[in-house]
Amino acid sequence: DIQMTQSPSSVSASVGDTVTITCRASQGITTWLGWYQQKPGKAPKLLIYGASDLQSGVPSRFSGSGSGTDFTLTISSLQPEDFGTYYCQQANGFPITFGPGTKVDIK
Amino acid sequence: EVQLVESGGGLVQPGGSLRLSCSASGFTFSNYAIHWVRQAPGKGLEWISFISSTDSIRYYGDSVKGRFSISRDNARNSVFLQMKSLRVEDTAVYYCAREPPVAVSATGFFDSWGQGALVTVSS
Repeated sequence: DIQMTQSPSSVSASVGDTVTITCRASQGITTWLGWYQQKPGKAPKLLIYGASDLQSGVPSRFSGSGSGTDFTLTISSLQPEDFGTYYCQQANGFPITFGPGTKVDIK
Repeated sequence: EVQLVESGGGLVQPGGSLRLSCSASGFTFSNYAIHWVRQAPGKGLEWISFISSTDSIRYYGDSVKGRFSISRDNARNSVFLQMKSLRVEDTAVYYCAREPPVAVSATGFFDSWGQGALVTVSS
Protein backbone atom coordinates (compact mmCIF):
# COMPACT_ATOMS: atom_id res chain seq x y z
CA ASP A 1 0.00 0.00 0.00
CA ILE A 2 1.08 3.57 -0.66
CA GLN A 3 1.53 5.52 2.57
CA MET A 4 0.85 9.25 2.58
CA THR A 5 2.39 11.66 5.07
CA GLN A 6 1.68 15.35 5.57
CA SER A 7 3.43 18.21 7.28
CA PRO A 8 2.85 20.16 9.33
CA SER A 9 0.08 18.47 11.30
CA SER A 10 -1.30 21.88 12.19
CA VAL A 11 -0.65 25.49 11.31
CA SER A 12 -1.97 28.78 12.62
CA ALA A 13 -1.76 31.74 10.29
CA SER A 14 -3.15 35.23 9.85
CA VAL A 15 -5.51 36.47 7.18
CA GLY A 16 -3.44 37.40 4.16
CA ASP A 17 -0.63 34.97 4.93
CA THR A 18 0.57 32.29 2.55
CA VAL A 19 0.22 28.75 3.90
CA THR A 20 2.10 25.79 2.48
CA ILE A 21 1.26 22.16 3.23
CA THR A 22 3.39 19.30 2.01
CA CYS A 23 2.42 15.73 1.23
CA ARG A 24 4.76 12.85 0.57
CA ALA A 25 3.96 9.46 -0.95
CA SER A 26 5.88 6.33 0.03
CA GLN A 27 6.40 5.56 -3.65
CA GLY A 28 6.08 7.46 -6.90
CA ILE A 29 2.54 8.32 -7.94
CA THR A 30 3.35 10.66 -10.87
CA THR A 31 0.60 13.30 -10.53
CA TRP A 32 -2.17 11.10 -9.12
CA LEU A 33 -2.59 13.38 -6.13
CA GLY A 34 -5.58 15.31 -4.89
CA TRP A 35 -6.22 17.79 -2.08
CA TYR A 36 -9.40 18.14 -0.04
CA GLN A 37 -10.63 20.67 2.50
CA GLN A 38 -12.88 19.53 5.32
CA LYS A 39 -14.68 21.73 7.80
CA PRO A 40 -16.03 20.39 11.10
CA GLY A 41 -19.18 18.33 10.65
CA LYS A 42 -19.04 18.58 6.86
CA ALA A 43 -17.99 16.31 4.02
CA PRO A 44 -14.61 16.89 2.38
CA LYS A 45 -14.45 19.14 -0.67
CA LEU A 46 -12.14 18.52 -3.61
CA LEU A 47 -9.78 21.45 -4.21
CA ILE A 48 -7.02 20.13 -6.46
CA TYR A 49 -6.74 17.02 -8.61
CA GLY A 50 -3.94 15.73 -10.80
CA ALA A 51 -1.51 17.43 -8.37
CA SER A 52 -2.07 20.90 -9.86
CA ASP A 53 -5.48 21.18 -11.54
CA LEU A 54 -7.94 23.45 -9.78
CA GLN A 55 -11.40 21.94 -9.30
CA SER A 56 -14.21 24.00 -10.75
CA GLY A 57 -15.46 26.66 -8.38
CA VAL A 58 -12.41 26.62 -6.12
CA PRO A 59 -10.79 30.04 -5.58
CA SER A 60 -7.55 30.64 -7.43
CA ARG A 61 -5.68 31.32 -4.18
CA PHE A 62 -5.45 27.53 -3.87
CA SER A 63 -2.72 25.93 -5.94
CA GLY A 64 -0.95 22.60 -6.05
CA SER A 65 2.38 21.41 -7.34
CA GLY A 66 4.65 18.41 -7.38
CA SER A 67 5.05 15.01 -8.98
CA GLY A 68 6.49 11.66 -8.07
CA THR A 69 6.59 11.55 -4.28
CA ASP A 70 6.57 15.16 -3.11
CA PHE A 71 3.63 17.54 -3.37
CA THR A 72 2.61 20.93 -2.08
CA LEU A 73 -0.67 22.72 -1.49
CA THR A 74 -0.34 26.50 -1.26
CA ILE A 75 -3.01 28.85 0.00
CA SER A 76 -2.11 32.37 -1.03
CA SER A 77 -3.62 35.27 0.86
CA LEU A 78 -5.37 33.13 3.49
CA GLN A 79 -9.02 34.01 4.05
CA PRO A 80 -11.14 33.49 7.20
CA GLU A 81 -13.19 30.81 5.44
CA ASP A 82 -10.07 28.73 4.73
CA PHE A 83 -9.99 27.23 8.23
CA GLY A 84 -10.36 23.48 8.34
CA THR A 85 -8.42 20.30 7.84
CA TYR A 86 -6.67 19.57 4.57
CA TYR A 87 -6.06 16.05 3.31
CA CYS A 88 -4.03 14.76 0.41
CA GLN A 89 -5.14 11.60 -1.39
CA GLN A 90 -3.32 9.35 -3.83
CA ALA A 91 -5.22 7.89 -6.78
CA ASN A 92 -2.35 5.92 -8.29
CA GLY A 93 -3.93 2.60 -7.35
CA PHE A 94 -5.95 0.64 -4.86
CA PRO A 95 -6.16 0.83 -1.96
CA ILE A 96 -6.69 4.56 -2.22
CA THR A 97 -5.01 6.27 0.71
CA PHE A 98 -5.24 9.65 2.39
CA GLY A 99 -2.71 11.63 4.33
CA PRO A 100 -3.35 12.16 8.06
CA GLY A 101 -4.47 15.74 7.56
CA THR A 102 -3.23 19.24 8.32
CA LYS A 103 -5.38 21.47 10.49
CA VAL A 104 -5.36 25.13 9.50
CA ASP A 105 -6.43 27.69 12.09
CA ILE A 106 -6.88 31.38 11.53
CA LYS A 107 -5.08 33.53 14.09
CA GLU B 1 -27.75 19.99 -8.63
CA VAL B 2 -25.56 16.99 -7.91
CA GLN B 3 -26.69 15.22 -4.74
CA LEU B 4 -25.59 12.13 -2.89
CA VAL B 5 -27.61 11.17 0.17
CA GLU B 6 -26.59 8.40 2.56
CA SER B 7 -29.09 6.59 4.74
CA GLY B 8 -29.27 3.50 6.93
CA GLY B 9 -26.87 4.46 9.66
CA GLY B 10 -27.55 3.87 13.31
CA LEU B 11 -26.58 2.01 16.47
CA VAL B 12 -25.73 -1.67 16.16
CA GLN B 13 -24.19 -4.20 18.53
CA PRO B 14 -20.80 -5.76 17.86
CA GLY B 15 -21.21 -8.67 15.50
CA GLY B 16 -24.33 -7.17 13.98
CA SER B 17 -25.14 -6.06 10.45
CA LEU B 18 -26.23 -2.86 8.78
CA ARG B 19 -26.92 -1.79 5.21
CA LEU B 20 -26.11 1.71 4.05
CA SER B 21 -27.66 3.26 0.98
CA CYS B 22 -26.40 6.11 -1.17
CA SER B 23 -29.03 7.73 -3.37
CA ALA B 24 -27.88 9.95 -6.22
CA SER B 25 -29.57 12.67 -8.24
CA GLY B 26 -28.69 15.52 -10.56
CA PHE B 27 -26.29 13.61 -12.82
CA THR B 28 -26.09 10.54 -15.04
CA PHE B 29 -25.46 8.05 -12.26
CA SER B 30 -24.59 5.12 -14.53
CA ASN B 31 -21.52 7.00 -15.83
CA TYR B 32 -19.88 7.34 -12.42
CA ALA B 33 -17.92 5.05 -10.16
CA ILE B 34 -18.83 5.33 -6.48
CA HIS B 35 -16.64 4.99 -3.41
CA TRP B 36 -17.29 4.68 0.29
CA VAL B 37 -15.00 6.60 2.64
CA ARG B 38 -15.34 6.60 6.41
CA GLN B 39 -14.14 8.80 9.22
CA ALA B 40 -13.94 7.62 12.80
CA PRO B 41 -14.73 10.25 15.44
CA GLY B 42 -11.90 12.80 15.58
CA LYS B 43 -9.84 10.86 13.04
CA GLY B 44 -8.86 11.15 9.39
CA LEU B 45 -10.37 9.79 6.21
CA GLU B 46 -10.21 6.10 5.36
CA TRP B 47 -11.17 4.76 1.94
CA ILE B 48 -13.04 1.47 2.24
CA SER B 49 -14.72 0.47 -1.01
CA PHE B 50 -15.14 1.14 -4.74
CA ILE B 51 -17.61 0.04 -7.38
CA SER B 52 -17.20 0.81 -11.06
CA SER B 53 -19.93 2.48 -13.10
CA THR B 54 -21.01 -0.82 -14.67
CA ASP B 55 -20.52 -2.91 -11.51
CA SER B 56 -17.79 -4.89 -13.25
CA ILE B 57 -15.11 -4.03 -10.68
CA ARG B 58 -15.26 -3.85 -6.91
CA TYR B 59 -12.46 -3.17 -4.45
CA TYR B 60 -12.25 -3.18 -0.67
CA GLY B 61 -9.85 -1.93 1.93
CA ASP B 62 -8.12 -4.54 4.07
CA SER B 63 -9.95 -3.43 7.21
CA VAL B 64 -13.36 -4.38 5.76
CA LYS B 65 -12.53 -7.08 3.22
CA GLY B 66 -14.65 -10.18 3.76
CA ARG B 67 -17.11 -8.33 6.00
CA PHE B 68 -18.45 -5.53 3.78
CA SER B 69 -19.99 -5.83 0.35
CA ILE B 70 -20.68 -3.05 -2.14
CA SER B 71 -23.34 -3.17 -4.84
CA ARG B 72 -25.28 -0.80 -7.05
CA ASP B 73 -28.59 -0.48 -8.88
CA ASN B 74 -28.25 1.93 -11.75
CA ALA B 75 -32.00 1.80 -12.41
CA ARG B 76 -32.55 3.20 -8.91
CA ASN B 77 -29.52 5.53 -8.93
CA SER B 78 -28.30 3.89 -5.77
CA VAL B 79 -25.25 2.24 -4.23
CA PHE B 80 -25.36 0.02 -1.20
CA LEU B 81 -22.86 -1.03 1.44
CA GLN B 82 -23.76 -4.22 3.28
CA MET B 83 -21.80 -4.38 6.53
CA LYS B 84 -21.56 -7.60 8.53
CA SER B 85 -19.64 -8.75 11.60
CA LEU B 86 -19.41 -5.15 12.72
CA ARG B 87 -16.75 -4.18 15.23
CA VAL B 88 -16.43 -1.30 17.65
CA GLU B 89 -13.66 0.07 15.42
CA ASP B 90 -16.12 0.35 12.52
CA THR B 91 -17.78 3.24 14.34
CA ALA B 92 -17.54 6.18 11.95
CA VAL B 93 -19.31 8.56 9.64
CA TYR B 94 -19.64 6.81 6.29
CA TYR B 95 -19.55 8.94 3.16
CA CYS B 96 -20.35 7.92 -0.38
CA ALA B 97 -18.48 9.88 -3.02
CA ARG B 98 -18.53 9.88 -6.79
CA GLU B 99 -15.55 9.59 -9.09
CA PRO B 100 -15.81 11.18 -12.54
CA PRO B 101 -15.34 8.89 -15.57
CA VAL B 102 -12.07 8.75 -17.50
CA ALA B 103 -13.46 11.05 -20.19
CA VAL B 104 -14.05 13.75 -17.60
CA SER B 105 -11.39 15.62 -15.67
CA ALA B 106 -10.69 14.71 -12.06
CA THR B 107 -11.03 10.97 -12.66
CA GLY B 108 -9.49 9.11 -9.75
CA PHE B 109 -10.71 11.71 -7.30
CA PHE B 110 -13.93 12.38 -5.43
CA ASP B 111 -15.66 15.43 -6.84
CA SER B 112 -18.91 15.16 -4.92
CA TRP B 113 -19.71 13.69 -1.50
CA GLY B 114 -22.79 12.91 0.51
CA GLN B 115 -23.41 14.42 3.93
CA GLY B 116 -22.45 11.18 5.67
CA ALA B 117 -24.22 8.53 7.74
CA LEU B 118 -23.15 7.80 11.31
CA VAL B 119 -22.66 4.16 12.21
CA THR B 120 -22.12 3.43 15.89
CA VAL B 121 -21.08 -0.06 16.94
CA SER B 122 -21.51 -0.48 20.66
CA SER B 123 -22.99 -2.85 23.22
